[in-house]
Order: sequence, then structure tokens, then C-alpha cells
Amino acid sequence: DVKVTQSSRYLVKRTGEKVFLECVQDMDHENMFWYRQDPGLGLRLIYFSYDVKMKEKGDIPEGYSVSREKKERFSLILESASTNQTSMYLCASRENYGYTFGSGTRLTVV
Amino acid sequence: ELKVEQNPLFLSMQEGKNYTIYCNYSTTSDRLYWYRQDPGKSLESLFVLLSNGAVKQEGRLMASLDTKARLSTLHITAAVHDLSATYFCAVDIGGGGADGLTFGKGTHLIIQP
Repeated sequence: DVKVTQSSRYLVKRTGEKVFLECVQDMDHENMFWYRQDPGLGLRLIYFSYDVKMKEKGDIPEGYSVSREKKERFSLILESASTNQTSMYLCASRENYGYTFGSGTRLTVV
Repeated sequence: ELKVEQNPLFLSMQEGKNYTIYCNYSTTSDRLYWYRQDPGKSLESLFVLLSNGAVKQEGRLMASLDTKARLSTLHITAAVHDLSATYFCAVDIGGGGADGLTFGKGTHLIIQP
């Protein structure tokens, strides 16, 4: 089975900090995604990548950037964390019609 | 812009009853996904529906897809408490799926003994 690993389960960061959320998949998938999940809003796509060094904006990219230097790793970067970025962040990878989600990182910005 | 609407958003039902969750979407697609999420957990894939008329069943859950009506349903038969969770539908319209999934807001299902 495909495994998507998010390095942190819980994070607490201060306003203004630079935050890195890491995601690693072990099946050589080309497509990877970052979502955030908020109560009442469901999951919303932040960024996705279809190859190394390639990235595309999703529906809510403002305040975020991403990095994909290696195929297996897709990082989400909050350049200057703000309290409205407190959320659950989910990473996913995809091959053919199958999406696999990581266990999520619950980020709190104080 | 693709919109995915689920209803109801909240459902409380008794064990043994049947019910249906509806998922409407606004743009042509023949790829629809259903996920389950337990509190504090990630998404568990339930069904992937890839063609008009597709029907899949697993235990007490059955999902169907009508691409002409842009509608998918998740039917729960003789509900049991263990099915309490939040259920999401999601639609994939990207070429080759590279654009990712667009999710509904989720249906929070509580099944009471």
C-alpha cells in the first residue's frame, strides 16, 4: 500500500514564524497535493505538483508556498504564519485514479 | 468553477434505519470519490466511481453515480453506531487528475443506539 507520511502530527507556532510542513510518499507518484481542512468549509486545495520542481496554485494559495525538490517530498511553507492559518493540513499523492492521504498536521498559530 | 454540494450536512439517525446522503456537482465529470473521516483522523477512501451508472457496495454502504444528473448518492442500510463519522464526496475533473479533488463540505453523521 502507498504510504503518505506527514512528519508532524501537531505543531504550535508563533505569529510571524516561517513554518515548514513536510510530506513524503513512498510510491514514486508524480502528483502531490496540499489541502487545508476547516470546520464547515471542508477541504480546500492550496497547491499541487505534478512533477519535481513543478507547482500549481490551488483554490487558496495566498500566504503559502511549496517546494518539490525530490519526487517523494512535497513541502508546504508558511512564509509568515498568521492566526488565520490555524487549521488541519492534509497532504495527498495520486496515481491513476487513486488518492492517498497522509494522517494530517494540526497547526496552531498563536 | 466547480462546486460540490452535499446534503444533508448534519444527520442524526437511529440504528437500524436507512438513509441517503446526496452529492451534487456543477461540472461534467465521471470521477467521483467518497471518503470517511473519524474525529481527529485522516480520510479513509470508501468508493471510487469512474463511470455513469457505477454502483459500488461495501457492507452497509452503497454508492452510485449518475453523471448526466451530476449526482452521486451514498446509501446507508440498517445503520449501526460504528458508521458514525463525517462523510465527504469529492469530484475530480482535471485532465489525468492532476488538478486534484474538489470536496463537498461533508456530512456529519451520528447514529444513535
